[in-house]
Amino acid sequence: QKEVEQDPGPLSVPEGAIVSLNCTYSNSAFQYFMWYRQYSRKGPELLMYTYSSGNKEDGRFTAQVDKSSKYISLFIRDSQPSDSATYLCAIPNQAGTALIFGKGTTLSVSS
Amino acid sequence: KAGVTQTPRYLIKTRGQQVTLSCSPISGHRSVSWYQQTPGQGLQFLFEYFSETQRNKGNFPGRFSGRQFSNSRSEMNVSTLELGDSALYLCASSQSGIQETQYFGPGTRLLVL
Repeated sequence: QKEVEQDPGPLSVPEGAIVSLNCTYSNSAFQYFMWYRQYSRKGPELLMYTYSSGNKEDGRFTAQVDKSSKYISLFIRDSQPSDSATYLCAIPNQAGTALIFGKGTTLSVSS
Repeated sequence: KAGVTQTPRYLIKTRGQQVTLSCSPISGHRSVSWYQQTPGQGLQFLFEYFSETQRNKGNFPGRFSGRQFSNSRSEMNVSTLELGDSALYLCASSQSGIQETQYFGPGTRLLVL
């Protein structure tokens, strides 16, 4: 089983839709969880950083962590064409020596 | 503040050659990490340098190496290139390490023919 798994999509939604992006992880010792966004021909940029179980909200974005299920989610409300990008979940390994990335979900929001 | 810069942006090499990629971190950042991104494997951690020392290393063969200079700039070298080394190589910097926000550069796209 891979340490971090993410459905690669692609995911296509109309403008204004609510988007749900998900990752599962295998090691219950993981403590920090990140979501990065990567536009075409650019490097990833950090969107959300969470530590504990529960929800963290930032504008139209909500990150959710369920440690009991080893499941993390990113919700995008009122999606916009500018949200079209690849979204990657990332988790520092237990030793804090490397970031483990999911393979990314490619999202396309049409106007 | 200027972001992370990587040079060159694009590179074409042939099998067996070697290549050196360069990364200039954000001013004041001492940690530089390198990642390889491919469609099949996604983003994979290569290594991290901090204060001119390799602090962490991913699961890549010894053909992949790097170094960091006293001004925190870093270089990555791949020797004896293979077709499978074709990828986007990303550099990321942070003030002190992996568990902080990583600021990524735009990457160097390497094509090995």
